[in-house]
Amino acid sequence: QKEVEQNSGPLSVPEGAIASLNCTYSDRGSQSFFWYRQYSGKSPELIMFIYSNGDKEDGRFTAQLNKASQYVSLLIRDSQPSDSATYLCAGVNSGYSSASKIIFGSGTRLSIRP
Amino acid sequence: DGGITQSPKYLFRKEGQNVTLSCEQNLNHDAMYWYRQDPGQGLRLIYYSQIVNDFQKGDIAEGYSVSREKKESFPLTVTSAQKNPTAFYLCASSNPLAGDNEQFFGPGTRLTVL
Repeated sequence: QKEVEQNSGPLSVPEGAIASLNCTYSDRGSQSFFWYRQYSGKSPELIMFIYSNGDKEDGRFTAQLNKASQYVSLLIRDSQPSDSATYLCAGVNSGYSSASKIIFGSGTRLSIRP
Repeated sequence: DGGITQSPKYLFRKEGQNVTLSCEQNLNHDAMYWYRQDPGQGLRLIYYSQIVNDFQKGDIAEGYSVSREKKESFPLTVTSAQKNPTAFYLCASSNPLAGDNEQFFGPGTRLTVL
């Protein structure tokens, strides 16, 4: 069973600090990874995607991918109360030919305290 | 505006009833997906469809059925065979044949069995 693992949290971070969210995956063939943010009762929305080893930055968000260690992370700088949500890590399963079957982790709940 | 719509937002079902959840997209995406999310859990794939008139079972297809008669529409029927259907149901679409694996989500339908 190909899996994506996340710590469920909650992860509590003071406002203005850096929040670090981590994810590991078991499928070495996974090519692309996504971070989705999900507010309570709402649908997930894409924050970042990454497919190359290294860092990818977009505003306050940085995604990091280490394929050798099968590890993906998301850093949120200058954390704001509006960042409080559940963050879902997901990887594209290489076992499917055309439809991109994404494997989702169970999510990490992040709480930014004022 | 391009996007995915789901209806109804809330749905109540009596034991033994079949109910159908609607999902429509105007993004011209080839692939569509149905996920189930239980409280505090990640997303689990029910069914997915790569093209019109074709669909495949996901990880938890038992008790569910789908159809894909039009590119824009991918309705999900929750049958009486599904023993514990109370959950948040999310529909998504993507365009993997165009090299875009990102999945866009609809707003979700919350199903409750009375």
